[in-house]
Amino acid sequence: NAGVTQTPKFQVLKTGQSMTLQCAQDMNHEYMSWYRQDPGMGLRLIHYSVGAGITDQGEVPNGYNVSRSTTEDFPLRLLSAAPSQTSVYFCASLPGGPGYNSPLHFGNGTRLTVT
Amino acid sequence: TQLLEQSPQFLSIQEGENLTVYCNSSSVFSSLQWYRQEPGEGPVLLVTVVTGGEVKKLKRLTFQFGDARKDSSLHITAAQTGDTGLYLCAGISGNTPLVFGKGTRLSVIA
Repeated sequence: NAGVTQTPKFQVLKTGQSMTLQCAQDMNHEYMSWYRQDPGMGLRLIHYSVGAGITDQGEVPNGYNVSRSTTEDFPLRLLSAAPSQTSVYFCASLPGGPGYNSPLHFGNGTRLTVT
Repeated sequence: TQLLEQSPQFLSIQEGENLTVYCNSSSVFSSLQWYRQEPGEGPVLLVTVVTGGEVKKLKRLTFQFGDARKDSSLHITAAQTGDTGLYLCAGISGNTPLVFGKGTRLSVIA
């Protein structure tokens, strides 16, 4: 049981490039989400999904796209990378909806640097 | 927007000392979670508190949920170097996504 798997672990992009951060979970969780973590800013929600075909914006969605075609996968796309998107990105999932008291299961993060 | 304020932001103590970390909000939450994050890893859940006034113990860690369900505290007794990490509180309210505080970075020195 791998849990939440994120790839790649590290990535360096030039300004203007695009890329996709991958996230997969094997726990059959309905809810999946993407956070970014910056020093002194805590975890900020980018986008989330309550099931296949359903996505919604979080606190900081600008510059990012998501889609949820399967229960297992929730990729995060950077359309045109900017230095302000330098951060550590975490994918997280949980069974049921966000109002449940179940734990969020996090991946180990993708460290992205945009030069 | 619901906000969770954590204090202190940084804490450096000697092994064996006690400490308390706070998580405060002006909003009411149906429940509150505490996570610990170690370098290079994602946060891992420590506990969920759901009832106002609830106290939960996890070995040397004691978690309390305020009577009004707006605040919480984490007390560590006789801290060990293995307690070093980033402690995050997260509030749950209805079906909206979790709201995280900015965290308290704890360093326990031998």
